Amino acid sequence: TQLLEQSPQFLSIQEGENLTVYCNSSSVFSSLQWYRQEPGEGPVLLVTVVTGGEVKKLKRLTFQFGDARKDSSLHITAAQPGDTGLYLCAGAQSPGANSKLTFGKGITLSVRP
Amino acid sequence: ETGVTQSPTHLIKTRGQQVTLRCSSQSGHNTVSWYQQALGQGPQFIFQYYREEENGRGNFPPRFSGLQFPNYSSELNVNALELDDSALYLCASSLIPLAHEQFFGPGTRLTVL
Repeated sequence: TQLLEQSPQFLSIQEGENLTVYCNSSSVFSSLQWYRQEPGEGPVLLVTVVTGGEVKKLKRLTFQFGDARKDSSLHITAAQPGDTGLYLCAGAQSPGANSKLTFGKGITLSVRP
Repeated sequence: ETGVTQSPTHLIKTRGQQVTLRCSSQSGHNTVSWYQQALGQGPQFIFQYYREEENGRGNFPPRFSGLQFPNYSSELNVNALELDDSALYLCASSLIPLAHEQFFGPGTRLTVL
């Protein structure tokens, strides 16, 4: 069974602070996705990383895929209340057919004004 | 470009009943995946459809079944509903060969009493 462990599970910070959260697995994935989900809505895709060591930036969000393609991190600079939400990482074994996503339980982030 | 849509938004059923949930994929996408998200958990893969055939299945019993239509829309059917089936049901569409990049609909909230 492939598992993705996300940490920390909950995080409450003040606006303007920086944070890093993690997604770890013992399995190798062909790609890893980060999603953000708000209450009552579906997950929204933030980024896909496919190459070991890859770093992608999305405004104040920086995503890194581990060299061995088993783990990933998300760093947020100068967090804002609009960053509040559930952050999910999901790994895929293949980009083609049978590309089911294995999700972690998510990280609940609260950014206080 | 039209995003993924799901219907109904909310549904209340009683134990033992049957339910059908519907999903329209994003324009141009040929693959649909269904996920179950229990409260406080990440989404769990149910199955995936590609070219109107089941293309991978997660650890769900046979009373969970699905269909994909020629226009790539899809249905999820659940028979003999149990209390534990209460969850947010998410549909995601994607395009092979980048089927790991999945775009989610808003979900259907199913409550089984």
